[in-house]
Amino acid sequence: DTAVSQTPKYLVTQMGNDKSIKCEQNLGHDTMYWYKQDSKKFLKIMFSYNNKELIINETVPNRFSPKSPDKAHLNLHINSLELGDSAVYFCASSQAGTQETQYFGPGTRLLVL
Amino acid sequence: ELKVEQNPLFLSMQEGKNYTIYCNYSTTSDRLYWYRQDPGKSLESLFVLLSNGAVKQEGRLMASLDTKARLSTLHITAAVHDLSATYFCSWGGSEKLVFGKGTKLTVNP
Repeated sequence: DTAVSQTPKYLVTQMGNDKSIKCEQNLGHDTMYWYKQDSKKFLKIMFSYNNKELIINETVPNRFSPKSPDKAHLNLHINSLELGDSAVYFCASSQAGTQETQYFGPGTRLLVL
Repeated sequence: ELKVEQNPLFLSMQEGKNYTIYCNYSTTSDRLYWYRQDPGKSLESLFVLLSNGAVKQEGRLMASLDTKARLSTLHITAAVHDLSATYFCSWGGSEKLVFGKGTKLTVNP
């Protein structure tokens, strides 16, 4: 069983489109995260939710909106995609808060043309 | 501005040798993380260090935290090829996580 899963794995789309990436964890964790890794492999946290409540909200364009329908899911919706949004997006989860070990999903490779 | 600096950024070493990766950070924290990433793959959490003086070991890797020096180290003992990967450290606060740029380690036979 996959602990943290993301869909889709690859996403190729045109500038200006709106897209969503879904994340689900079956570990019973309370905290979930979205990270962005750019072409230079730099990692940056975007958002973190603890039990459906937003706890980390880094400076990202408001075109990015996370949604947590329940504590097992954290989806990322991106409006009006731009070339610079091309990156790998990782979802992760941890038991309770940032003090715990994080488990990462396989990543979603987004390419905006 | 919070900074997390890893060095070296690139490390090529021979099998059997020892080496240390350093992670310096600019703001006090009692929380430091190490991750491993293989090429084209996701991240794997290696260590979570939660207090000054914390030391954790897993196989040939040992991580330590000195909060007074604002320094964490990842020590590699008797390197083997399978350890080739990129290693990231990350500084953690209750509402913030900041990553270093990563150290790309290549272990040559």
